[in-house]
Amino acid sequence: GESVGLHLPTLSVQEGDNSIINCAYSNSASDYFIWYKQESGKGPQFIIDIRSNMDKRQGQRVTVLLNKTVKHLSLQIAATQPGDSAVYFCAETYQGAQKLVFGQGTRLTINP
Amino acid sequence: SAVISQKPSRDICQRGTSLTIQCQVDSQVTMMFWYRQQPGQSLTLIATANQGSEATYESGFVIDKFPISRPNLTFSTLTVSNMSPEDSSIYLCSVVLDVNEQFFGPGTRLTVL
Repeated sequence: GESVGLHLPTLSVQEGDNSIINCAYSNSASDYFIWYKQESGKGPQFIIDIRSNMDKRQGQRVTVLLNKTVKHLSLQIAATQPGDSAVYFCAETYQGAQKLVFGQGTRLTINP
Repeated sequence: SAVISQKPSRDICQRGTSLTIQCQVDSQVTMMFWYRQQPGQSLTLIATANQGSEATYESGFVIDKFPISRPNLTFSTLTVSNMSPEDSSIYLCSVVLDVNEQFFGPGTRLTVL
């Protein structure tokens, strides 16, 4: 299928290692943040979200950290697997607007 | 979650023509959006498709270029009008379900020659 994110920053990790993907957001009024995973030829898939009244949230193998002071968001993936290879986007929204502003994206490549 | 389908999945079109993209959801949703993803880029919101009223467009996008219909709570169309090669992109619809969770369709991959 057609690839997306051909010119995006790339993070390469060994299978089984932990991955950390970072995102800087722009709007200090943003109060809701989401991480999406986009595999080649597919639409973005919801991974995990976090509200601004929290600084950490955990899901299955994933953790999102929010640092509002420096407007920074990170996604940690534990024990990465080949199926984690994709482009990862952070997105922000504010004041219940529901329309999302997406970050640049990072391509995650898993080495066997 | 919601099951979202888009038609066509991809198309190759000639300059100056128009293409209408369909988005179908398997449940009634209030909020539906259309995004564009240019090659190697992130997603940019085009407009919010409002049921029963005109779409709300983001800065840089206009109704004449991207007319949108939303006849009911499960369906919307986006037309890319008078296409040029710069319109080559992936076009995605999305819907909002409970508590702000936004889900995306598989996208329509458009190439304009």
